[in-house]
Amino acid sequence: DVKVTQSSRYLVKRTGEKVFLECVQDMDHENMFWYRQDPGLGLRLIYFSYDVKMKEKGDIPEGYSVSREKKERFSLILESASTNQTSMYLCASTLQGAHQPQHFGDGTRLSIL
Amino acid sequence: AQTVTQSQPEMSVQEAETVTLSCTYDTSESDYYLFWYKQPPSRQMILVIRQEAYKQQNATENRFSVNFQKAAKSFSLKISDSQLGDAAMYFCAYRSAGDKLTFGTGTRLAVRP
Repeated sequence: DVKVTQSSRYLVKRTGEKVFLECVQDMDHENMFWYRQDPGLGLRLIYFSYDVKMKEKGDIPEGYSVSREKKERFSLILESASTNQTSMYLCASTLQGAHQPQHFGDGTRLSIL
Repeated sequence: AQTVTQSQPEMSVQEAETVTLSCTYDTSESDYYLFWYKQPPSRQMILVIRQEAYKQQNATENRFSVNFQKAAKSFSLKISDSQLGDAAMYFCAYRSAGDKLTFGTGTRLAVRP
């Protein structure tokens, strides 16, 4: 089974802090994604990556950056956390191909105070 | 941009009964894939079922089946013999080749014992 591991289930940070969310997958998937999930809004794509050192902006990249130095690891960075970034963050990975299902981590519930 | 609409924020079903969750989407593509994902409370999101647009036959996975109406751009999920473990948030999603996965806003399903 594919395993996608997010480093924290719950995280509390203060405004202005630099926040790192880590995601690791163990199935050699090419594609990795970061979403945020908010009630009534579904999942919105922040950034994605099709290969090592490659990154593409999703629908809501403002205030975020990403890093993919190794194939198995995809990090989401909040450069200067703000209260409106309080949310559930989901990482996912998949093989190449539009038909491939995405495999999700457990999510990180991030609170910015 | 593609859009996916789930018009039922919440649904409820009696255990052992059947329930149908609705999903419509908007696209100008002819070749694409549709997915239903399940997110149980505080647990990982998982794939429930997938439909290829070029296939006329509706996909089925045990108690889960879809009603895919390509002309109407409708993709509903039917859960038969509902079980307590079916209680979850269900997301409909769309993806075409070279495009990102687009999610609906979700339907929260409650199962009454």
